[in-house]
Amino acid sequence: AQTVTQSQPEMSVQEAETVTLSCTYDTSESDYYLFWYKQPPSRQMILVIRQEAYKQQNATENRFSVNFQKAAKSFSLKISDSQLGDAAMYFCAYGNYGGSQGNLIFGKGTKLSVKP
Amino acid sequence: NAGVTQTPKFQVLKTGQSMTLQCAQDMNHEYMSWYRQDPGMGLRLIHYSVGAGITDQGEVPNGYNVSRSTTEDFPLRLLSAAPSQTSVYFCASSSLSGGARQTQYFGPGTRLLVL
Repeated sequence: AQTVTQSQPEMSVQEAETVTLSCTYDTSESDYYLFWYKQPPSRQMILVIRQEAYKQQNATENRFSVNFQKAAKSFSLKISDSQLGDAAMYFCAYGNYGGSQGNLIFGKGTKLSVKP
Repeated sequence: NAGVTQTPKFQVLKTGQSMTLQCAQDMNHEYMSWYRQDPGMGLRLIHYSVGAGITDQGEVPNGYNVSRSTTEDFPLRLLSAAPSQTSVYFCASSSLSGGARQTQYFGPGTRLLVL
């Protein structure tokens, strides 16, 4: 069974600085999807970024980028120029390409604080 | 475009009561699912559906029932509420094809308290 591990329960960053959130996963599949979701205090789950395992190029979305290391099964999220609005829980998630496609397996989350 | 909607936003139940959490999506997504979120546990899959008339169990299905009679709606039923079902429940949907396949869109959540 696939698993997702986020080893940092809490992280803190100074406003305008850069922070990296870690995520590792375990799977025997070669094709799959990886996601980072943000959950602010409102509790709404917001997609931050998505990566398809067959793509070697790391995904980027404005200030958010990932470092996808397929062989190491690592999928870290880098937030550049951190803003107060980035403070939230961040969840890493894994999705299968075939079979039970659609189902996501989530890590336990990292709580990010942003200091002014 | 409403996306994924959930009702109610908050509910208090007594042990043994039953209720239905409603979920609807207007994106014509084939896939719909229910997750529960507990402190320190992330999100765990309860039940999912890949189309009308097709449902299956996820990681934590006990005590819950689902059906999918239309593409748009995917209600979650608690048959006999227990305090262990106190949680925040999220409904999500995604397309199973196209460039955005697998990307799940979440509803705002339902907070359930079972006394």
